[in-house]
Amino acid sequence: DVKVTQSSRYLVKRTGEKVFLECVQDMDHENMFWYRQDPGLGLRLIYFSYDVKMKEKGDIPEGYSVSREKKERFSLILESASTNQTSMYLCASSSSGGSNEKLFFGSGTQLSVL
Amino acid sequence: AQSVTQLGSHVSVSEGALVLLRCNYSSSVPPYLFWYVQYPNQGLQLLLKYTTGATLVKGINGFEAEFKKSETSFHLTKPSAHMSDAAEYFCAVPNGRGNAGNMLTFGGGTRLMVKP
Repeated sequence: DVKVTQSSRYLVKRTGEKVFLECVQDMDHENMFWYRQDPGLGLRLIYFSYDVKMKEKGDIPEGYSVSREKKERFSLILESASTNQTSMYLCASSSSGGSNEKLFFGSGTQLSVL
Repeated sequence: AQSVTQLGSHVSVSEGALVLLRCNYSSSVPPYLFWYVQYPNQGLQLLLKYTTGATLVKGINGFEAEFKKSETSFHLTKPSAHMSDAAEYFCAVPNGRGNAGNMLTFGGGTRLMVKP
């Protein structure tokens, strides 16, 4: 069964801390995505990557960076966490086999910044 | 850029009643439309996908959606709600970005509550 694994289900950090959210997929997918989910706003794309070491900004990249050193792993980095980054973070992956391949999602990381 | 609007952030139905979750897309006819479902404490999973051609799309768990160009809509329905359908539902459309046009823009979500 296909799997996208996010390293932490819940995370509590302090303002100003550097935060790493990790995501691993076992499907050999080319594309990986980081979304944040907030009530009433749906999912908003932070960054995506379509290949190792390749990344592109999504709709709300400010305050975030990403790293993709290996095909299976996509990390989201909050350089200096702020309270407005308290949110649910969802990682997803998809194949580039054809256009509009479906997304496979991880279970999410609920981040609280105090 | 394409976008979708979901009317009603919360919908409550009784068990056995019809489920209707609304989604409208903007402007031009999209080549694809999606409904995803998120059960409590889980990530999203694909419920169904519309591709050009068939206007009525059947998905998992008895859900279906009808593409209506004249109404720019892609509403999700299920004839009889079950307690296990309680979840959040998201409509999504490709926004034309990404290396294969496969980046999605999601609606704000509709939380479905099912009363016994």
